[in-house]
Amino acid sequence: DTAVSQTPKYLVTQMGNDKSIKCEQNLGHDTMYWYKQDSKKFLKIMFSYNNKELIINETVPNRFSPKSPDKAHLNLHINSLELGDSAVYFCASSPRDGKDGYTFGSGTRLTVV
Amino acid sequence: QKEVEQNSGPLSVPEGAIASLNCTYSDRGSQSFFWYRQYSGKSPELIMSIYSNGDKEDGRFTAQLNKASQYVSLLIRDSQPSDSATYLCAVTGGYQKVTFGTGTKLQVIP
Repeated sequence: DTAVSQTPKYLVTQMGNDKSIKCEQNLGHDTMYWYKQDSKKFLKIMFSYNNKELIINETVPNRFSPKSPDKAHLNLHINSLELGDSAVYFCASSPRDGKDGYTFGSGTRLTVV
Repeated sequence: QKEVEQNSGPLSVPEGAIASLNCTYSDRGSQSFFWYRQYSGKSPELIMSIYSNGDKEDGRFTAQLNKASQYVSLLIRDSQPSDSATYLCAVTGGYQKVTFGTGTKLQVIP
């Protein structure tokens, strides 16, 4: 059983489109995250949810909107995609506010053309 | 100044040698420290966590923490080609926020 699963694994889309990435964890963790990894491999936090409540909302364009229907799911919707949005997006979860480290999903490679 | 700094490498070591990876951080209030391994095209995987000054050993891996110097290191003994990957240092500071370094690429030469 995959602990943190993301779909889709690859996403190629045109500029201006709207797309969603889904994430589910079966670890019973309370906290979930979205990270963006750019071409230089830098991992930057975007959002964090604790038991469906938004905790961290970094400086991210309003085009990005997270949604957590329950503590096992965290989705990311992106409106009006731009070339600069191309990156790998990782979902992660942790049992205790990140203090015990994260379990990452396999990532979604988004390419905007 | 970056919050978490690592030398990007690549760090090349011969098989069987000790690989030493270093990381410095800027937030003196940081409480939890992690090392993640990321193979090319894969997701980061937690390999070590350390919370207090000193050394913590797990198999061939030893994490070292010096809060006074704001310094974390990872030693890999008896390096194997399968250890070739990018190693990410991560630090927990403010509430639930983990900050990653840019990673050090390790190459173990057979």
